[in-house]
Amino acid sequence: QSVLTQPPSVSAAPGQKVTISCSGSSSNIGNNYVSWYQQLPGTAPKLLIYDNYKRPSGIPDRFSGSKSGTSATLGITGLQTGDEADYYCVTWDSSLSAVVFGGGTKLTVL
Amino acid sequence: EVQLVESGGGLVQPGGSLRLSCAASGFTFGSYWMHWVRQAPGKGLVWVSRINSDGSSTIYADSVKGRFTISRDNAKNTLYLQMNSLRAEDTAVYYCVREGPGDVEMDVWGQGTTVTVSS
Repeated sequence: QSVLTQPPSVSAAPGQKVTISCSGSSSNIGNNYVSWYQQLPGTAPKLLIYDNYKRPSGIPDRFSGSKSGTSATLGITGLQTGDEADYYCVTWDSSLSAVVFGGGTKLTVL
Repeated sequence: EVQLVESGGGLVQPGGSLRLSCAASGFTFGSYWMHWVRQAPGKGLVWVSRINSDGSSTIYADSVKGRFTISRDNAKNTLYLQMNSLRAEDTAVYYCVREGPGDVEMDVWGQGTTVTVSS
């Protein structure tokens, strides 16, 4: 049972937009920054978003992040088949004094 | 090129020990906090441990506290994870991860090393 709650799966058609939610509490998302990671099948995770909404160099602006209260959202526009992957949210939990991951969301591009 | 290369994984019996290493290159290793993150077969990512840049501060997930020890040798550009009293549930791919300047910004990941705990 993850501290951060993500939907197990989401799907959308190529070219469409999808959002992935990450729900937490005041001890984690509510008072700390969120980052997002993409894990393509059989590969190591890759940083997509940090500090809630910032994109590392090389990450296309099709990927966006936002935070409101105790929830964060990853948005992906112009979906491509190459976006099929697992996506994870991560933050610091001040009560646990630990880094916490969401359970992950599998994106299917139909 | 910024790179992290893990090694030391393998098959170990329950109750046994293993030491993972992570060789860093292409950046000033001693300036960055580092993490270990693991992924059990078919499961999600789980944070294991973090160490600050000079090795003076470490934190652990409850599931490994008292059994695992994270350490680093900045002169050798190497991160370690000493794993003792291993259990079947420790079976996973273990990733070495660099933390960038942002908050829990895990910006560089190794390719992972596989640990299997089985008799």
